[in-house]
Amino acid sequence: DVKVTQSSRYLVKRTGEKVFLECVQDMDHENMFWYRQDPGLGLRLIYFSYDVKMKEKGDIPEGYSVSREKKERFSLILESASTNQTSMYLCASSLYRSGANVLTFGAGSRLTVL
Amino acid sequence: DAKTTQPPSMDCAEGRAANLPCNHSTISGNEYVYWYRQIHSQGPQYIIHGLKNNETNEMASLIITEDRKSSTLILPHATLRDTAVYYCIVRTQGGSEKLVFGKGTKLTVNP
Repeated sequence: DVKVTQSSRYLVKRTGEKVFLECVQDMDHENMFWYRQDPGLGLRLIYFSYDVKMKEKGDIPEGYSVSREKKERFSLILESASTNQTSMYLCASSLYRSGANVLTFGAGSRLTVL
Repeated sequence: DAKTTQPPSMDCAEGRAANLPCNHSTISGNEYVYWYRQIHSQGPQYIIHGLKNNETNEMASLIITEDRKSSTLILPHATLRDTAVYYCIVRTQGGSEKLVFGKGTKLTVNP
């Protein structure tokens, strides 16, 4: 089974800190994604990447950046964390199967910004 | 991508079939229907997908109407561990990999 591993399950950071959320997948998937999930708002796409060093903005990229230096690793960066970035962050990678795209998600990283 | 409409919540008795509906009346011919679920405090989990024909796997069955404007996810013998939020998504084959998740249906399986 493909595994998507997020480095931290829970983080607490202070306003203004730089935050790195790391995600690693072990099945050579081309595509990787970062979502955030908030009560009442569902999952919202922040950034995604088709390949190494490539990135595309999702629906809510403001305040975030990403890095994909290696195929298996996709990092989400909060340059200067703010309280409105307190959220559950979900990383996913996708498998192209039978003409459709299937996402495998990590367990999530719950970030609290104080 | 076509939008989907799901009931916000449903209940089901343990051991009974859970039938979760999804309307996607604006679906186009090359759009797949995907189902995912999310158990509390975990990441979403892929369940099944289909294009035109009904599909079945070890987790569930997917019934798509002939006009493809709606579908039903069937969990044949629901267990307490099936309590989760179930998301129905429609997406174009190939192209951008982006999937847009709505608010889903909260399924509660009762003992």
